[in-house]
Amino acid sequence: EIVLTQSPGTLSLSPGERATLSCRASQGVSSSYLAWYQQKPGQAPRLLIYGASSRATGIPDRFSGSGSGTDFTLTISRLEPEDFAVYYCQQYGSSPSFTFGPGTKVDIK
Amino acid sequence: EVQLVQSGAEVKKPGESLKISCEGSGYSFTNYWIVWVRQMSGKGLEWMGIIYPGDSDTRYSPSFQGQVTISADKSISTAYLQWSSLEASDTAIYYCARLSVPYALTTPIDYWGQGTLVTVSS
Repeated sequence: EIVLTQSPGTLSLSPGERATLSCRASQGVSSSYLAWYQQKPGQAPRLLIYGASSRATGIPDRFSGSGSGTDFTLTISRLEPEDFAVYYCQQYGSSPSFTFGPGTKVDIK
Repeated sequence: EVQLVQSGAEVKKPGESLKISCEGSGYSFTNYWIVWVRQMSGKGLEWMGIIYPGDSDTRYSPSFQGQVTISADKSISTAYLQWSSLEASDTAIYYCARLSVPYALTTPIDYWGQGTLVTVSS
């Protein structure tokens, strides 16, 4: 089963700054079947990015995804107050397996 | 509007059985895979298993195979997650969620239930 590693574990930034989150897979992710989710306290996760770089419906364009193979990145160009949350990557290409990374917490500096 | 509505919080004792539910509405329930995800307190997301309500084809994560049973009743658009004998370590929030493309397994999750908190304590 593919194992996902996310770094850093915690990212402390100020509103307006750029956030760069990394997700690394233990083996290649088929056809870039890699998604990113945002989770706020007390809420279910929300899909941000799928196919490594496609934004889900309604997601602001300050969120972007990139990467392929084993290395993927989620970038938030300018942090808004509502962006402080935990972010998970997930692979969904090695069916049926939907492993998640351990998450990166983006908190206010 | 697509909705997944889960049953309410449960408090159980070790050794007891439990079945929680997830009712889908606003879409063709039989055509989309439903996945169950565990989140222990302060921890990350773990996929447990997945079911296709149209024919009840079910697959389990190796970590949860034999520990839980996933089922569905398409006549009432409801999926289930059940335990025959709970342990304290089953204490967690359990989410049901829908894969985003009909019939397909290699798709991300687009809709989530609100979560069901299961507490197992003597």
